[in-house]
Amino acid sequence: ILNVEQSPQSLHVQEGDSTNFTCSFPSSNFYALHWYRWETAKSPEALFVMTLNGDEKKKGRISATLNTKEGYSYLYIKGSQPEDSATYLCAFNRGSTLGRLYFGRGTQLTVWP
Amino acid sequence: DAGVTQSPTHLIKTRGQQVTLRCSPKSGHDTVSWYQQALGQGPQFIFQYYEEEERQRGNFPDRFSGHQFPNYSSELNVNALLLGDSALYLCASSLYRAELYEQYFGPGTRLTVT
Repeated sequence: ILNVEQSPQSLHVQEGDSTNFTCSFPSSNFYALHWYRWETAKSPEALFVMTLNGDEKKKGRISATLNTKEGYSYLYIKGSQPEDSATYLCAFNRGSTLGRLYFGRGTQLTVWP
Repeated sequence: DAGVTQSPTHLIKTRGQQVTLRCSPKSGHDTVSWYQQALGQGPQFIFQYYEEEERQRGNFPDRFSGHQFPNYSSELNVNALLLGDSALYLCASSLYRAELYEQYFGPGTRLTVT
């Protein structure tokens, strides 16, 4: 069983707050780490895919970092807005089963106006 | 450009029945993967189809089967439904030989087994 852990499970913040959440994954046989944003009743939307240790990706107010040696990734949201409210999922690609994603349970973010 | 589409959106079935879920991949994609998301869990990989063959399979019983058609669309079939099969079923499409194995998801089919 391959465990991908996300924390916290849920998060409530005020508009304008910055926030971050964690994804931890097995550091062996690593290939790629994916972050998805999933709004209720919509399709999960790909945010980032990262492959190299030390990778940093940014899209607007959202950024992510990757540490493959210790097996974790952080997702940061700067100046949260109500439209950022969603579930953020991370998913791990192993080198031996490349087409298969192993997902965490997600972090549910609610941003209050 | 249409993204990944799934049908139906919702479905209610009775224990013991059989169900078929459908998925059309994003234009240009040749690979379809299916995931099951039970309540409170992350999506779990069921299987992946490429060139009309099952290429990888997760830890799901043989009651779960699939098919891919020449136009790359796919079906997920579940036989002898159990209450525990109630879940959101997600379809994802990708390019088999893409370097980063990015998968694009549909909105899912919500299956309720009573």
